[in-house]
Order: sequence, then C-alpha cells, then structure tokens
Amino acid sequence: AQSVTQLGSHVSVSEGALVLLRCNYSSSVPPYLFWYVQYPNKGLQLLLKYTSAATLVKGINGFEAEFKKSETSFHLTKPSAHMSDAAEYFCAVSDPPGNKLVFGAGTILRVKS
Amino acid sequence: GAGVSQSPSNKVTEKGKDVELRCDPISGHTALYWYRQRLGQGLEFLIYFQGNSAPDKSGLPSDRFSAERTGESVSTLTIQRTQQEDSAVYLCASSYNAPPGEQFFGPGTRLTVL
Repeated sequence: AQSVTQLGSHVSVSEGALVLLRCNYSSSVPPYLFWYVQYPNKGLQLLLKYTSAATLVKGINGFEAEFKKSETSFHLTKPSAHMSDAAEYFCAVSDPPGNKLVFGAGTILRVKS
Repeated sequence: GAGVSQSPSNKVTEKGKDVELRCDPISGHTALYWYRQRLGQGLEFLIYFQGNSAPDKSGLPSDRFSAERTGESVSTLTIQRTQQEDSAVYLCASSYNAPPGEQFFGPGTRLTVL
C-alpha cells in the first residue's frame, strides 16, 4: 500500500528565506505525487503534481518539487518565503486503481517577519 | 461557479442524530471522493465513486456511514446515530478518472457533534 511521510509537523522560516518541506513516499508502482496547500478555513488547493514527465516540477506561487526515485522523496521548495505562504502543506500519493489520495500528516509553515 | 461545492458549510448536531452532507462536483468529472479531516490529523479517505458506483468503500469507518451518488453528479454522505468522534471536516473532491487523477477539492463541511 502507498504511504507518505512528511518530516516536521511545523516549520518556521523568516520572510525571504528558503522554504524546504520534506516528503517521502512508499509506493509499489510508479507514483503520481502531489503537493496541496490549505490556507486557514479554506479547502485544499493543488500546488503541483508529478506525473512521470520531468523530475523537477514547477507549481503555482513560486513553489517547485523534485522527484528523486533513489531517495523516494518529493520535497517542496521555494527560494524566498513570503508572509502569504503561511499555511498547511500536504504531500499525497495517488493509489491506483481508483486514484484515491493517500496524504501525509501535513506540515504547518510559519513565516516570520 | 466552476468549482466543487459542499453544503452545509457548518453543521452542529446532537449525539445520536443523523446528518446528511452534500457534494456537487465539477461538471463532467466522473470520479468523486470523500475524505475526513479530524482536528490535528491528516486527511483520511472514506469512499470513491466512479460514475454512480462505489468500487472502493474501504475508508468508511463503520456501518453508520453511507454514501450515494446520483446522475453521475451530486453525492450525499450520510452519518447515522452520530458520535462525538465523528466531529471533523468532511471534504469532497472530484476528478477526471484518467490518471494522474488530479483532484479538485470543495471547501468542506465542518461537522460538530455535541
């Protein structure tokens, strides 16, 4: 069965600093991987997705993630944090055949001014 | 709007009462999913619909939970004899069935069982 581990339930960075949110997955098949963001009292919004094309995936709001098969990782990065990036971030893997999403526990990102 | 909608946005009920949660998916999306997000926890899969059929109900926590979908559109999640542990945000998502199955989420229904 697919599973996702997100290291660090809370990450705090200064405004302008690098954002790195870690995600490791376990999958018995080539995975489809996703990062979603959830702003307070809002639904989940897709940031980016890996679908076995390019290993470096660019998403919205300046985020990107790199798929590393050898490390079974799909870490999310952003070069320069903005106050508006404060939210909870979820990594997920698609579980065939119905493509239900298996989510990590989430990482809350705090951005300090 | 073109997004997934859910109603009600908030529901407060007493223990033992039944509740119905509604999801309107994006038009043309054949797949529909229900997830649950309890406070301080990640998202748990509940049930998946392909068209009006539910080939995967593995996440439903008990026989108090049921769901249906009609017209390959609207879905209703019903919780009978609610318990306090049912308190959570219930999220609905829809997608085209073809992989990678990018899912579009609704805003959720916050259920509080007193």
